[in-house]
Amino acid sequence: QVQLVESGGGVVQPGGSLTLSCAASGFTFRSFDMHWARQAPGKGLEWVAFIRHDGSDTDYGDSVKGRFTMSRDNGKSTVSLQMNSLRVEDTAVYYCVRDGTNYEFDFWGQGNLVIVSS
Amino acid sequence: QSALTQPASVSGSPGQSIAISCTGTSSDIGAYNHVSWYQQHPGKAPKLMIYEVTNRPSGVSNRFSGSKSGNTASLTISGLQAEDEADYFCSSYTSRTTWVFGAGTKVTVL
Repeated sequence: QVQLVESGGGVVQPGGSLTLSCAASGFTFRSFDMHWARQAPGKGLEWVAFIRHDGSDTDYGDSVKGRFTMSRDNGKSTVSLQMNSLRVEDTAVYYCVRDGTNYEFDFWGQGNLVIVSS
Repeated sequence: QSALTQPASVSGSPGQSIAISCTGTSSDIGAYNHVSWYQQHPGKAPKLMIYEVTNRPSGVSNRFSGSKSGNTASLTISGLQAEDEADYFCSSYTSRTTWVFGAGTKVTVL
């Protein structure tokens, strides 16, 4: 079965950096586009980043553009989210998500909490 | 990338039908049939319930259905059950490779 397992979250000071990782299994990883989404405490979902199946294209939400970088390693079936210049408002549970080929998010990881605080 | 507009809450009694609206613009919902809906129980990850406006993934109850008219999509839950109490989020593909979510609707089963 499809599994997405995030790691790397934690507490970081404003202006700091953090890298999230997601290990995928149970499907042909190199064939699927992937996303990161986030949810601030008590708030709604926010789409964060996209990467094409072969890594040839990425895109980002306006609130993280220029600060976050998404990458993937198809040999290891992993995606990563490098987060720089972190702000208090980046505090959220970050989800690794598979793109279901019809522009939907068909499988979600369990989520990983990032807290940006001094 | 403005969030799609959803009602904050919707409630209904067991067995009733309820509908949740999701309003966007001509750049997202109005431009594409790439609208999807997600159910999220407290402390859990979201679960895909509807994709491409009307399609249900395998394993999702046929009590859940979707539709779209113009810039507004809707999720209907028929035969409301206690287990349907959760938060529901809509999402739409937008121009370029970007997506937008709704703010979420809390469904309460009375």
